[in-house]
Amino acid sequence: QVQLVQSGAEVKKPGASVKVSCKASGYTFTGYYMHWVRQAPGQGLEWMGWINPNSGGTNYAQKFQGRVTMTRDTSISTAYMELSRLRSDDTAVYYCAREEVADPEMATIYWGQGTLVTVSS
Amino acid sequence: QSALTQPASVSGSPGQSITISCTGTSSDVGSYNLVSWYQQHPGKAPKLMIYEVSKRPSGVSNRFSGSKSGNTASLTISGLQAEDEADYYCCSYAGSSTVFGGGTKLTVL
Repeated sequence: QVQLVQSGAEVKKPGASVKVSCKASGYTFTGYYMHWVRQAPGQGLEWMGWINPNSGGTNYAQKFQGRVTMTRDTSISTAYMELSRLRSDDTAVYYCAREEVADPEMATIYWGQGTLVTVSS
Repeated sequence: QSALTQPASVSGSPGQSITISCTGTSSDVGSYNLVSWYQQHPGKAPKLMIYEVSKRPSGVSNRFSGSKSGNTASLTISGLQAEDEADYYCCSYAGSSTVFGGGTKLTVL
């Protein structure tokens, strides 16, 4: 069965970076785009971008350009999202989600369990 | 890219039907038939209910349906049930980007 298992909660200081991992199993990792979405406490969903695990190609939301880097390691079927220059308003649960159709349109059935990143001095 | 506009809350009684609107622009909802809808219960990951405006993933009840007219997409839930109480988010492809709505809290009275 398809599973996306994310790394554990993180606490970071303002200005630091965080790298969240998303280990995929139960399917061919390189066959599906992977999105990253975040949700601040009590707030709505926010799309951050996607990575094509096959080519390594990425597309980031304009808001995060220059601060986010999405990568993958196909040998261990794992996608990564690194966010730098953290601010307090980056405190959120970060999710990875697998695209179900051929193009990255946010039709995502399988989601990771979420990783809480807390930014606090 | 601005967020899509959804009502903050809607409510309905069991058995009734409700509709949640999602208003975008000609750069997102109006230009692409790539609107999806997610249901989210507290503390849980979002669940895909509708994609490509009106398609239902396998296993999603046919009480959920989607449509679009111009720059506005809609999610209709018929035969409301207690377990439908949740937050609902629309999402649209927007060219080189993707944008979510602010979310709608559905209360089943």
